[in-house]
Amino acid sequence: GQQVMQIPQYQHVQEGEDFTTYCNSSTTLSNIQWYKQRPGGHPVFLIQLVKSGEVKKQKRLTFQFGEAKKNSSLHITATQTTDVGTYFCAGHHSGAGSYQLTFGKGTKLSVIP
Amino acid sequence: DGGITQSPKYLFRKEGQNVTLSCEQNLNHDAMYWYRQDPGQGLRLIYYSQIVNDFQKGDIAEGYSVSREKKESFPLTVTSAQKNPTAFYLCASKTAGGETYEQYFGPGTRLTVT
Repeated sequence: GQQVMQIPQYQHVQEGEDFTTYCNSSTTLSNIQWYKQRPGGHPVFLIQLVKSGEVKKQKRLTFQFGEAKKNSSLHITATQTTDVGTYFCAGHHSGAGSYQLTFGKGTKLSVIP
Repeated sequence: DGGITQSPKYLFRKEGQNVTLSCEQNLNHDAMYWYRQDPGQGLRLIYYSQIVNDFQKGDIAEGYSVSREKKESFPLTVTSAQKNPTAFYLCASKTAGGETYEQYFGPGTRLTVT
């Protein structure tokens, strides 16, 4: 089946440091979404990227979609303890229809105060 | 309040027993999903349904069954054929089609089989 690779699997940062997680697909994505799951919680939608080369910002979070629509990244500037959790990317593969998302395995972020 | 409810939050069963997990949504969403989450494995799709009385297998459907008799409800049965049923199970829903592909997740059911 379709796969979305996500790295790193874990990231430990000092509070105030930056954090980046990367997603890569071998095939073109029609769009990509990002979700955050707090410890003990459920995934919550953060954002969707649709256009080639798209960049979106939410406060300290910056999301990018690659020009070829095969990769994406999430960058957090100056992490805070509230950023702790697992960040997942999830992509719709082109031609697969709008119903099925393929999730990456997630990057678990720990922030040391 | 609109949302997705899953019950129970924790479920314990003996090996060899079937167990049904509940998922209800009042968001008027057409599509519903079941995912399984294991540590370090991300979310893996078990089954999904685009419309009432129709559903499709996901990547790991073996040992599971579902039904979609009502738009609001999408129960998942974990059968005794599922070799490693202990996991965190998440239900999700979304609107059908259009540019909005966001999935809304329920709080999950943590199933332990011993």
